[in-house]
Amino acid sequence: SQTIHQWPATLVQPVGSPLSLECTVEGTSNPNLYWYRQAAGRGLQLLFYSVGIGQISSEVPQNLSASRPQDRQFILSSKKLLLSDSGFYLCACSRGRTDTQYFGPGTRLTVL
Amino acid sequence: SQQGEEDPQALSIQEGENATMNCSYKTSINNLQWYRQNSGRGLVHLILIRSNEREKHSGRLRVTLDTSKKSSSLLITASRAADTASYFCATVLGSGNTGKLIFGQGTTLQVKP
Repeated sequence: SQTIHQWPATLVQPVGSPLSLECTVEGTSNPNLYWYRQAAGRGLQLLFYSVGIGQISSEVPQNLSASRPQDRQFILSSKKLLLSDSGFYLCACSRGRTDTQYFGPGTRLTVL
Repeated sequence: SQQGEEDPQALSIQEGENATMNCSYKTSINNLQWYRQNSGRGLVHLILIRSNEREKHSGRLRVTLDTSKKSSSLLITASRAADTASYFCATVLGSGNTGKLIFGQGTTLQVKP
C-alpha cells in the first residue's frame, strides 16, 4: 500500500519569505497527486492536482504554485508568503481519478 | 457553494452509544467518501461508496447513500472514546472532473468515556 511523506511537519515563516513544501509517495507508481489546504476548523480545499510529471492544474487562483519534478514527488511553493497562506497543507494521492485518495500527515504553516 | 455539507456540525455522545452523521450534496457524483481526522493530523479514509451502491459496512461503520435525495449518512455503532475526531464527507463529481474531492465542513464528534 502507498505511504505519503510530507515535510516539514510544522513551519513558521515571516510574511514575504519563500516557501517549499515537499510530498513524496511510496508504494505506487504514476499516481494522481493533490495538494489541499485546510483552514482552522474547516474542510479541505483543493489547491493543485497532477496526473503526471510536469502536469499541474490549479484549482484556485492564489499566491502558491506546484511542481511535479518526479513521478512520486509533489512540491508546493511560494515566492512571497502572505498572512492568508497560513493553514494546514495536506498532500494526497490516488491511483485513478475516482479512486480513494490517501492523505499524508500534513504540514502546519504559520505565516507571521 | 459547498458541494458537501455535514449535519450536525458537532455531536457529543456517551461511550457505547451510536453516532449518526449526515452529508448532503448538490450535483451528481461518481462516489462519496468518508474520512476521519484526529486533531491536527492527516485524514484517514474510512469508506468509499459508489453512486450505484446504497449501503456499505466496515466494522462498526455503516454508510448509506441515497442519490435521489443527494444525501449520505455515516453510522458509528457502539462508539468508543477513540472515535472522538472530526468526520468529513467528500464527493467525486460524476463527470468532467479530475478526481478532486469536494469536502464538507465536517462533523466534530466527541465520545465521552
